[in-house]
Amino acid sequence: KQEVTQIPAALSVPEGENLVLNCSFTDSAIYNLQWFRQDPGKGLTSLLLIQSSQREQTSGRLNASLDKSSGRSTLYIAASQPGDSATYLCAVLTGANSKLTFGKGITLSVRP
Amino acid sequence: EPEVTQTPSHQVTQMGQEVILRCVPISNHLYFYWYRQILGQKVEFLVSFYNNEISEKSEIFDDQFSVERPDGSNFTLKIRSTKLEDSAMYFCASALGPGAAYEQYFGPGTRLTVT
Repeated sequence: KQEVTQIPAALSVPEGENLVLNCSFTDSAIYNLQWFRQDPGKGLTSLLLIQSSQREQTSGRLNASLDKSSGRSTLYIAASQPGDSATYLCAVLTGANSKLTFGKGITLSVRP
Repeated sequence: EPEVTQTPSHQVTQMGQEVILRCVPISNHLYFYWYRQILGQKVEFLVSFYNNEISEKSEIFDDQFSVERPDGSNFTLKIRSTKLEDSAMYFCASALGPGAAYEQYFGPGTRLTVT
């Protein structure tokens, strides 16, 4: 059974810092990995999708990498801003019917 | 930009009552999903739906749950007799396809509170 882990559960950084959020998964037989952002009480906004054949994807200040063989992904946020404060969820796509298995998320607080 | 919509945003119901949660997926998408998130817990897969039938369901998705695409645009989740433990945020998602290249797009969620 696929398990996705995100550690730490919470992170607080000063504005302007570059930071890395980690995600690990137990079964490397994934189709892709998605990073999502969730604001309190809100829905899930997709940030980046990395297919299993890819190593990384970039969007603006965000860069996500994938090491499928070791079961790890990182989300790099450059020059963090208070508006980046949210919970960041990692999810892996497995199975012929494409279900996502989520981690519990990392709650990021960027201090002005 | 096309988006997934869900109604209502918040539903309060009494234990034992039936509820229907509604979703309008992105119009050209073919794969549809329901997930739920109990407060403070992980987002969990409930069911996937393609070509008017269930593709896969989790162990959570028991006989009390059903899904339907009644009219080609809506996608509904029915809970026949709600329990306290059904209180959660329910997310609908849709995707153009099932494979690695296809992103799942999520709606804003329906918060279900069972009293």
